[in-house]
Amino acid sequence: EAAVTQSPRSKVAVTGGKVTLSCHQTNNHDYMYWYRQDTGHGLRLIHYSYVADSTEKGDIPDGYKASRPSQENFSLILELASLSQTAVYFCASSGVGAGNTEVFFGKGTRLTVV
Amino acid sequence: GDSVTQTEGLVTLTEGLPVMLNCTYQTIYSNPFLFWYVQHLNESPRLLLKSFTDNKRTEHQGFHATLHKSSSSFHLQKSSAQLSDSALYYCALSDLRNYGSSGNKLIFGIGTLLSVKP
Repeated sequence: EAAVTQSPRSKVAVTGGKVTLSCHQTNNHDYMYWYRQDTGHGLRLIHYSYVADSTEKGDIPDGYKASRPSQENFSLILELASLSQTAVYFCASSGVGAGNTEVFFGKGTRLTVV
Repeated sequence: GDSVTQTEGLVTLTEGLPVMLNCTYQTIYSNPFLFWYVQHLNESPRLLLKSFTDNKRTEHQGFHATLHKSSSSFHLQKSSAQLSDSALYYCALSDLRNYGSSGNKLIFGIGTLLSVKP
């Protein structure tokens, strides 16, 4: 069973503070993603990465940075957290090629910015 | 740009009745991959169905869907709803055009919450 582990599972952050969400996968997957879930918007891609030490912008990257220090680890960084960033964040991973199209999600991190 | 439309935000059904969740998509790519992901309460989304082949029915766990490129649709169906089917269902699109650099970037619809009542 593919495994994607996120930490923390929930967090309360202060407006203007820095937040780091961490993700670890043991699937040996090349691709990792950060999605944000909001009611009425579904899941939206923030950043993704296909190799260590490289990240790419997704559809809603503003206000977020990402870091991929190794194949297994992928972090999402909010340098200056804002109220609008209150959401559930999902990390995910996938393999290579058309035969590996399934994306495996972690259990999510519920972030509340106050 | 590419997009996925799920017209129903909430579908409420009585157990035993048929399920149909609508999904249409827009893309300029002629060979899209379409997916249905299911998310139960307090869980993560997981793959339910996927298809790449036009007009071919795909089935899993009692659910089925057929990709129709002529109408850009990939509706999810089940003949008889069960209480355990209550969940959030996402339709998603991927074109894999840039798979080498973007992996399986999924574009999700807003989701349809299916609530099955006794």
